[in-house]
Amino acid sequence: GDSVTQMEGPVTLSEEAFLTINCTYTATGYPSLFWYVQYPGEGLQLLLKATKADDKGSNKGFEATYRKETTSFHLEKGSVQVSDSAVYFCALSHTGNQFYFGTGTSLTVIP
Amino acid sequence: DAGVIQSPRHEVTEMGQEVTLRCKPISGHDYLFWYRQTMMRGLELLIYFNNNVPIDDSGMPEDRFSAKMPNASFSTLKIQPSEPRDSAVYFCASIIGGANVLTFGAGSRLTVL
Repeated sequence: GDSVTQMEGPVTLSEEAFLTINCTYTATGYPSLFWYVQYPGEGLQLLLKATKADDKGSNKGFEATYRKETTSFHLEKGSVQVSDSAVYFCALSHTGNQFYFGTGTSLTVIP
Repeated sequence: DAGVIQSPRHEVTEMGQEVTLRCKPISGHDYLFWYRQTMMRGLELLIYFNNNVPIDDSGMPEDRFSAKMPNASFSTLKIQPSEPRDSAVYFCASIIGGANVLTFGAGSRLTVL
């Protein structure tokens, strides 16, 4: 069945460091891929998405590219800020009404 | 739009008590999902509805859990009787079918003593 695997956390970085959170998926066909972010005490919110191979999703300085050949959708940001501290979830969906989430990766950015 | 609204935001109860969590989805969204989040198990899908009809409840942990959606603007998740291992954050989310953007509520944090 469909599934998402993302890197274990927690991740701790200094401000302005480069961030990569790995995500790989298993699915038939061409699912849509997502990154959701959960700030402390809040629900998950969509950060970015990509709906087909080679698409790049981007938002708030974060980027992820849909790589069909490696079944990956790694999240990157060139310079993290303290306000980026949150839990990040990779997810996929085929139909737009069933979603498969990874286990989440906690990021802490220290000044 | 006010987004997905959940209540209560926090609930502390004693083992054996009945707990009811409530959700108002975004108007016009025809799918509604209930998730549970814990440190040990991460984010788990409990049940989802389409047009108020339960489609998949295979994630509901046991008979103590039940969910209803009496109309398009309201859903409840009930735990009776509650147990300490039910302590978690419960999220409701909604979507227009095929739209690809799942919108979550702020969650209900349940603590069962």
